[in-house]
Amino acid sequence: DTEVTQTPKHLVMGMTNKKSLKCEQHMGHRAMYWYKQKAKKPPELMFVYSYEKLSINESVPSRFSPECPNSSLLNLHLHALQPEDSALYLCASSPGGADSGNTIYFGEGSWLTVV
Amino acid sequence: ILNVEQSPQSLHVQEGDSTNFTCSFPSSNFYALHWYRWETAKSPEALFVMTLNGDEKKKGRISATLNTKEGYSYLYIKGSQPEDSATYLCAFIAGGYQKVTFGTGTKLQVIP
Repeated sequence: DTEVTQTPKHLVMGMTNKKSLKCEQHMGHRAMYWYKQKAKKPPELMFVYSYEKLSINESVPSRFSPECPNSSLLNLHLHALQPEDSALYLCASSPGGADSGNTIYFGEGSWLTVV
Repeated sequence: ILNVEQSPQSLHVQEGDSTNFTCSFPSSNFYALHWYRWETAKSPEALFVMTLNGDEKKKGRISATLNTKEGYSYLYIKGSQPEDSATYLCAFIAGGYQKVTFGTGTKLQVIP
């Protein structure tokens, strides 16, 4: 099983809603990531969890709140988002710690639209 | 902010043509360079992980070279096929960092 699974694939939410994006991998990977990708731009790193601890927060606004309940799961809690937060959110994982330079395995992404 | 650039931004080639594109990255503090292939509506798929200056990697018709001293990597596709149509992303990892910085991508379209 070499998959990173993300749910939901599409999410439309209002600016006052609270929702979550979920990510799961069963490859025994120890690093998990959230990336944000806007149209025609490269993916931008948001958060890195390494061995279930938050190791990087790329100055992401607090309306995005990551959570790593265990080594296989990664959530992104969303609250009071703005329309400019509409984007593709990619989850990824890699073997070993996040600083190992290993191959990163990506999910298919969750398309988020904030209205 | 690390500058990782790819050229060209987009490319149209005829089926059977060979093609190549470039990833430029900082020449200092190099740790690793990755190449990914990203087809529409699918997840980015890793092609190569390159770590040593002079590395050459090959996977079928696709190969890549690495020059860490001058800060560039080339990706080559021999005999392009329509199924090669995708966006090709390189990703630079600096030493001591946990951060992967993606390039701007090259969108390849192979015309049958």
